[in-house]
Amino acid sequence: KNEVEQSPQNLTAQEGEFITINCSYSVGISALHWLQQHPGGGIVSLFMLSSGKKKHGRLIATINIQEKHSSLHITASHPRDSAVYICAVIRASGGGADGLTFGKGTHLIIQP
Amino acid sequence: SQTIHQWPATLVQPVGSPLSLECTVEGTSNPNLYWYRQAAGRGLQLLFYSVGIGQISSEVPQNLSASRPQDRQFILSSKKLLLSDSGFYLCAWSVSIGANVLTFGAGSRLTVL
Repeated sequence: KNEVEQSPQNLTAQEGEFITINCSYSVGISALHWLQQHPGGGIVSLFMLSSGKKKHGRLIATINIQEKHSSLHITASHPRDSAVYICAVIRASGGGADGLTFGKGTHLIIQP
Repeated sequence: SQTIHQWPATLVQPVGSPLSLECTVEGTSNPNLYWYRQAAGRGLQLLFYSVGIGQISSEVPQNLSASRPQDRQFILSSKKLLLSDSGFYLCAWSVSIGANVLTFGAGSRLTVL
């Protein structure tokens, strides 16, 4: 079983819809990243959070440490939001050199 | 500001041919450098990391090797490519090992035929 599970794996929605991507993990963590991978392949960091909620523009990330779960929400989705969204946890101990364990990603397509 | 460059962006190579992917970082000194592979349907896998010139650590056994000939240069190589080496390769850097905040390059898509 993967230590970081994302759902759904693929999501197609219409422009304007509210989007939710989920990340569940089974290891102890100190924080969690949400990353966005553009169609060309480049990866950018959206959020790093260890508790509560963070908001940036139309993006909202929440985390519940007790339930080992995080969600990424996109309000008023737009075709330019189409990308792969990756959850990566920062392990509290036992991680590799980068300290990160990655989910497989959620492929989001927003249709106009 | 710091920038990271990675090339080539795409590469199609026959089985058994050599490989060289290059990554350079600008605007910082003594970065920690990483090579990741992203295979279809799988998460990012850390292949190599380096804390300094000539210092390479491998995370997984494989057909690839890495080198760091200069402070801000990281090279991923193979003497003979296998079909299973196909994938998307990403270079990244951080301020320190385990810093958990990585900046990624644009990636290199390798297809081995």
